[in-house]
Formats: sequence, C-alpha cells, structure tokens
Amino acid sequence: DIQMTQSPSSLSASIGDRVTITCRASQTINVYLNWYQQKPGKAPKLLIHSATVLQSGAPSRFSGSESGTEFTLIISSLQPEDFATYYCQQSYNTPFTFGQGTRLDFK
Amino acid sequence: EEQLVESGGGLVKPGRSLRLSCVGSGFNFDDYVLHWVRQGPGKGLEWVSGISWDSGRIDYADSVRGRFTISRDNAKNSLYLQMNTLTAEDTGVYYCVKDRLAAGIKDTWFDPWGPGTPVIVSA
Repeated sequence: DIQMTQSPSSLSASIGDRVTITCRASQTINVYLNWYQQKPGKAPKLLIHSATVLQSGAPSRFSGSESGTEFTLIISSLQPEDFATYYCQQSYNTPFTFGQGTRLDFK
Repeated sequence: EEQLVESGGGLVKPGRSLRLSCVGSGFNFDDYVLHWVRQGPGKGLEWVSGISWDSGRIDYADSVRGRFTISRDNAKNSLYLQMNTLTAEDTGVYYCVKDRLAAGIKDTWFDPWGPGTPVIVSA
C-alpha cells in the first residue's frame, strides 16, 4: 500500500496568515493527489484534485503544488471559515490511502 | 445538486452483522464508481470499498476483505455495504462517496460525500 505522510499534524495560525501543509507519498503517484477539507461533525469536501486543480466552488486562496512525491496545500490568506482538518489522498491505485490529517486551529 | 444519503447505521454487538444503504440523486447514478469510506472516532479517513458502474470491478481494503460485501442496484439508485463479523475496530462514521469515473481506479477523486451514518460496535 502507498503510505501518505502529512505534516504538520496540527497547526495554529491567525487570520490573514499564509499556511502550508505538506503531504509526502511513499512512492511515485504521478499527480494523482487530492486534498479534502473536513469541519467538525461534517463530511469531507473536495478542495483540490490532480495535485493542482482547484475544485469548482473552492475559494481561490487555496492552491496546490507538487514536486516529485511531495505535495503542498497552500492557503494564501487564512479566513475564519478555513479552520478545519485537511487530508491528502492518493488515487494512483487501490487501496486509496489518505494522510493522517492536519488540524488547523486558531492561534 | 448531486446528493448521497446513507442509512442503516446503529449500535451492534461484536460478531453481528449490519447492512448500510446509500441513495444517490441529482446525477446519473449508473454512470459512476461509488465507494464507502469510514472514519473512526477521532481518527482519520480510511477507504473501505469501491464498485464500478456495472459491478464488474469491486475492490476492498485488506481490513474488511472477506467480511464486508459492497453491492449496488442502479434501478434504485442505491449502494449497499453488508458488514459481517463486526469488531470494535469497525466502529466509526461510514460515508458513501461518488467517484468521477465509471470504471477506472486511477487519477480520480471523491465528490460529493454523503453526511455519513454512524456504526458503533460494542457489547
């Protein structure tokens, strides 16, 4: 199975901050990497697919990048509604594996 | 609007069975792969199983293979998960999820997700 390692596991930040979350795959996954946002008590929502493609309806302050087996989610200017847990997921093959999550909370 | 709604969760004793259901609306149900994804209490996301549009391809996580069975009835816009020999490690919220593809297993993503149905395995 492909292991997905996210860092950090938690992060405290303030409104307006630039935030970076990293996800590393244990092997090559091409650009088959997705990011999801989950708020407490809610189902996850797709933010970015194919490493860099912003899902329709997602705010433009979210972006993604990739370099080999390392992928990054960037929030350019943190807004109150962005405090949530973020997960990466590989879709290179089954089992589709997720990172352990990054909890983003208010500093 | 594309929607998925799960049902069938509840409290069940270890070793017993439970069947989850999911109804889809707002899209051509038989055009897409569907999945079950679960989340243990306070834990991360775990993909459980997926089924192609025609049930011709089915995949399971190792943790459930041999105990869980995924199926679908396109005439009823419904997805199912039969869960047998349940253990405490199966406790969590189970989400029904739509894939972007009809039959592939690569270069895909999950959208939308249902609100989830909770399963608690406890004596």
